[in-house]
Amino acid sequence: GAGVSQSPSNKVTEKGKDVELRCDPISGHTALYWYRQRLGQGLEFLIYFQGNSAPDKSGLPSDRFSAERTGESVSTLTIQRTQQEDSAVYLCASSFRAGKQSTDTQYFGPGTRLTVL
Amino acid sequence: AQSVTQPDIHITVSEGASLELRCNYSYGATPYLFWYVQSPGQGLQLLLKYFSGDTLVQGIKGFEAEFKRSQSSFNLRKPSVHWSDAAEYFCAVGGRNNNDMRFGAGTRLTVKP
Repeated sequence: GAGVSQSPSNKVTEKGKDVELRCDPISGHTALYWYRQRLGQGLEFLIYFQGNSAPDKSGLPSDRFSAERTGESVSTLTIQRTQQEDSAVYLCASSFRAGKQSTDTQYFGPGTRLTVL
Repeated sequence: AQSVTQPDIHITVSEGASLELRCNYSYGATPYLFWYVQSPGQGLQLLLKYFSGDTLVQGIKGFEAEFKRSQSSFNLRKPSVHWSDAAEYFCAVGGRNNNDMRFGAGTRLTVKP
């Protein structure tokens, strides 16, 4: 596609429910990132996928958060048993990485605004 | 660990005035530095980036930034602000691996007519 897309654009859920957020990266981009942006704060790194390598999960805030990616395509971020503090905009980005050293640029999607009541 | 500080949470400037947004970083090696803009209802867009070479970097929309290693700074500037520049601006620092990238808390720019 022309850019990174995310769905849904908005999600309202009740505390304790599970949610799934989807990211479609730019075709051909091998790297995919998830970030969380709480109101009035900067981006918080969550997880990073690069090709077939093991993902870097170092930013996931708790074991309620998980993410998957199928090959070099779609990724889903799952939040189980949502809490009110999970309310935020979840941003996905993709980039093309060429080798270990890369000066690639991340291209961001419009985000999913999650509200946990 | 790397970090980014944007000291100004909110800045207001008049249209046509000059602008400087501050960014200070902490990074143990040679940093890669970025400025992104987030307009209301839109995703983040890369304004400019510094990897090496000339320390004065030109970006889109008339923005520029200067890398000053001695001051650990990468301030964003624009000589004459337009009303459409009103947005949230994020500075970011990273290394060779993009999963090292860290963003600042952002500076909200308001442009007065």
